[in-house]
Order: sequence, then structure tokens, then C-alpha cells
Amino acid sequence: AQRVTQPEKLLSVFKGAPVELKCNYSYSGSPELFWYVQYSRQRLQLLLRHISRESIKGFTADLNKGETSFHLKKPFAQEEDSAMYYCEKYAGNNRKLIWGLGTSLAVNP
Amino acid sequence: GAVVSQHPSRVICKSGTSVKIECRSLDFQATTMFWYRQFPKKSLMLMATSNEGSKATYEQGVEKDKFLINHASLTLSTLTVTSAHPEDSSFYICSARDVAGRIQFFGPGTRLTVL
Repeated sequence: AQRVTQPEKLLSVFKGAPVELKCNYSYSGSPELFWYVQYSRQRLQLLLRHISRESIKGFTADLNKGETSFHLKKPFAQEEDSAMYYCEKYAGNNRKLIWGLGTSLAVNP
Repeated sequence: GAVVSQHPSRVICKSGTSVKIECRSLDFQATTMFWYRQFPKKSLMLMATSNEGSKATYEQGVEKDKFLINHASLTLSTLTVTSAHPEDSSFYICSARDVAGRIQFFGPGTRLTVL
């Protein structure tokens, strides 16, 4: 079965520290990977997608096909980054959406 | 950006009744909409994929007779929780995807409480 694994349910860091939220996926040809974020009392929204290769709010994520990973990174965490982060894989060949269970990031002052 | 609305935002109903939740794409046409359930610890469960003009595709373990989905137009999908029970109490979220992209635009969610 296809899977997306986010091994950390909760990640707590101090402001200014680097942060890495892990996402591993099961191999399936040419998937598309996304990170979505949900801030407190807000709706889910797209943070970034692997094909755009951009940095959003200081976050980047590189698709590593060899390790089947799509880890989300930020060199210096800010308190406003505290949120729930979800990794999602879109397997285009069968149009499946696979979601990780999410990682709650807490950035402490 | 694309906007998705949900109505109602909050609903309380008695056990055994049915509840309908609407999901609308306000400024784009959504050929595909998705329904999710978010649990207290914030894990997100995809329930079903709703395709305009055709039957919804349900994820394994989701009862299609319990959670009726209708996607009658390119801007509206509805989820009806039939014969609701207290264990159906949850936060239900819809999302919509436009014709071109893979990105999902999410609604604000509906909090269902079944007494």
C-alpha cells in the first residue's frame, strides 16, 4: 500500500534554531509531493510543492528520489511557524492522494 | 487565490438525524472535490473524492451509505451524514482542485456534534 510517513507527531524547537520536518513516501513512479500547513484556527493551505522548487516563508523542501523523502527545512525557526504540517503525495498514475498524519511544530521563544 | 467555502461552520444534531454539509468553490470551477475528517489530535483522514457528474470514490473503511456525497455542479459538493451517531462527531473539511492543477484549496471546516 502506498504510504506517506511523518515520523514525528510533535517537534519542539527554540526560536532561531534550524528545523526539519521529515516526510518519507513509498515509491510509485513519478509522484508529486506537497507540504500543507494549518495555523491555529485557520484552514489548511498549501505551503509548497516539489515541482516549484521555491522557498516559502523561509521553508524549502527537496525531493530525494533515492531516499524517497521530501523533508521540510528552515534554517531559523520563528514563533509564527508554530503550526500543524502535513506532507501529501499525489500519485498521478492512479490519482491517489496519500497524506501523512501530520507533525505539530512548536517554536518556543 | 482560490476560495472554498463550507456551510454550516458548526452544527449540532440529535442522534439518528441526517446532516448536510455544503462545499463551494467560489471563484473557480472544481472538477474534483475532496472530503476529509480531522480528528482531535489533528490527523487528517481522506474520506472520499467527489467528481462532478459521477459517483464519489470512497476510501477504504468509509461507508458510502453513511456518508452520502453529491457533486452536482462544478462549484458545489455536498456531504450528508445519514443517521448520525455521537461517534460521527468530528471536524469535516472539504477541498477543491481546479481543472489545471494538483493543488487543493481547503474550506474552513464544519464542526459536527451529534448528541
